[in-house]
Amino acid sequence: EVLLVQSGAEVKKPGESLKISCKTSGYDFATYWIGWVRQMPGKGLEWMGIIFPHDSDSRYSPSFQGQVTITADKSINTAYLQWHSLKASDSAIYYCARHSRGNEWDAMDVWGQGTTLTVSS
Amino acid sequence: DIQMTQSPSSLSASVGDRVTITCRASQGISIYLNWYQQKPGKAPKLLIYGASSLHSGVPSRFSGSGSGTDFTLTISSLQPEDFATYYCQQSYNAPFAFGRGTKVDVK
Repeated sequence: EVLLVQSGAEVKKPGESLKISCKTSGYDFATYWIGWVRQMPGKGLEWMGIIFPHDSDSRYSPSFQGQVTITADKSINTAYLQWHSLKASDSAIYYCARHSRGNEWDAMDVWGQGTTLTVSS
Repeated sequence: DIQMTQSPSSLSASVGDRVTITCRASQGISIYLNWYQQKPGKAPKLLIYGASSLHSGVPSRFSGSGSGTDFTLTISSLQPEDFATYYCQQSYNAPFAFGRGTKVDVK
């Protein structure tokens, strides 16, 4: 069974740094792109970026480029989303999801349970 | 970047109704279009990929169609467990933007 298990809820102060994780199992981690999606309170889904763990190739949405860093550790089948200086507006639920690809399709087929981040002074 | 416009933003329907949601891409995306369902407090789930292919385990009352810029998600006979929010997503070019969502609630 393919599973993506995310780290627990976080409460942080503005200006602090944070790295949340997405531990995967049940498939060859290195050969699937894995992405992150933000959902602000009461709002829709926002695609943030993806990484290919095999070679750490990554792509970011312009909205998130320079604001977050996506990394992956092949040795422990885990992807990460990192902030260097949090803002209150980063408060949201963050989901990781595996990208599967085929002939003329590419979709986020397995999702983590989400990590809730609250940034408040 | 490709923008996705979904409509309506919400709709009210009854069990047994046929429900149709549309999604338009700002430029041609072939059939690189996915649909997701999200229930309150839960992670999204993939329903349809490649515009019309049903993801494993998804009931056959869900169907998708379209290519190029215009796409449709149809629920042939709405069931109680289908009340949720639905999102389209293009996967033609990164960033793989989502539509703003369509909330389907009880009439």
